[in-house]
Amino acid sequence: DTGVSQNPRHKITKRGQNVTFRCDPISEHNRLYWYRQTLGQGPEFLTYFQNEAQLEKSRLLSDRFSAERPKGSFSTLEIQRTEQGDSAMYLCASSLGGPQGKFSSQHFGDGTRLSIL
Amino acid sequence: SQQGEEDPQALSIQEGENATMNCSYKTSINNLQWYRQNSGRGLVHLILIRSNEREKHSGRLRVTLDTSKKSSSLLITASRAADTASYFCATDKRETSGSRLTFGEGTQLTVNP
Repeated sequence: DTGVSQNPRHKITKRGQNVTFRCDPISEHNRLYWYRQTLGQGPEFLTYFQNEAQLEKSRLLSDRFSAERPKGSFSTLEIQRTEQGDSAMYLCASSLGGPQGKFSSQHFGDGTRLSIL
Repeated sequence: SQQGEEDPQALSIQEGENATMNCSYKTSINNLQWYRQNSGRGLVHLILIRSNEREKHSGRLRVTLDTSKKSSSLLITASRAADTASYFCATDKRETSGSRLTFGEGTQLTVNP
């Protein structure tokens, strides 16, 4: 399977705990995106990387959130001191950037569903 | 806030009928994309239409784009029960080209067998 892979699929944790999610993009894709989706809503942009550089962060990404893509391949999203409001589906997507990047679609993984108790 | 707005929010049809979903947006775009999401799963890319295109087809899907009205429509012909899903439009805004997609709230399509 050469699609976008996210782990774990589900994460249940107590409020105040730290959690980390992993995303493995499609191998030839240089752009990687994180989105958050709550029930009944469309995904909301959190941040994106081109190779290992984090180029943009949404205001939704508070200082409790940190994302990395150390070697320009897989990425991790960490949430520290989780709160009830962090409960959501966290989606990762990848695409091919460059001169034709604006015509490149984003390919999504199946997400990590986070539930805060 | 979400830029795209889909309507209707929910649509229920019989198998074999056509389903039309609409999307409106507010700013200039490079392209507009439609995605499908089955319950509990990620989004599946359906079709991308560039800002200089007016209509595009892919199998049973037909997408139109009217940049003067900042709107798009997705038509699914001869619907099947397996088409039951949420459908989202997403815009790649010119000002943030390639850095993010802005999604609407989606249309929940139910196709009854």
